[in-house]
Amino acid sequence: ETGVTQTPRHLVMGMTNKKSLKCEQHLGHNAMYWYKQSAKKPLELMFVYNFKEQTENNSVPSRFSPECPNSSHLFLHLHTLQPEDSALYLCASSLTLAGDMSNEQFFGPGTRLTVL
Amino acid sequence: GENVEQHPSTLSVQEGDSAVIKCTYSDSASNYFPWYKQELGKGPQLIIDIRSNVGEKKDQRIAVTLNKTAKHFSLHITETQPEDSAVYFCAASRASGTYKYIFGTGTRLKVLA
Repeated sequence: ETGVTQTPRHLVMGMTNKKSLKCEQHLGHNAMYWYKQSAKKPLELMFVYNFKEQTENNSVPSRFSPECPNSSHLFLHLHTLQPEDSALYLCASSLTLAGDMSNEQFFGPGTRLTVL
Repeated sequence: GENVEQHPSTLSVQEGDSAVIKCTYSDSASNYFPWYKQELGKGPQLIIDIRSNVGEKKDQRIAVTLNKTAKHFSLHITETQPEDSAVYFCAASRASGTYKYIFGTGTRLKVLA
């Protein structure tokens, strides 16, 4: 186990539904990330939070809305999604945002999202 | 924009043989290169990393080499075992400025018993 948990592990939703993904880290880290993983594509960084403050929004559509109430929890609120949003959504955390080994990112197992 | 190319996309080897996965990065300012292993149903896990001030790093059966001039880095797995079967991702990052990891597209390694 990496110390990063994600719920639910699987989610099927219609295009008009509203759902939320949850991520929790037990590592005492200060930075948290959402990634989208689609088949045969590189991991796409979506959002970054550092000490609860959003520091990166990688041109993500507004139908994805992140929330970071504290350094240990990260949510991704979903509404009016499209079928092409179906993917594995990974949460990660790191001690700092530095671009070196203190930035080692620990990933959760992901939420497999299917949008019908 | 910056990108990382990774080859091959799939790789099958016999148990006990070696496996090599190669990555090429475009951002010449990159100086930190982690490798992640993703097993079925799990998130990626760091298995080895290298900084630009060294050319090679080993950890038991795993090694990574870096050629900064050519902007290439490679993962070498020796004496492969069935449990090495997974998807492997390379990434490149800067130590200063942007902290973003630029990931490769992944290599699915199958070790045949």
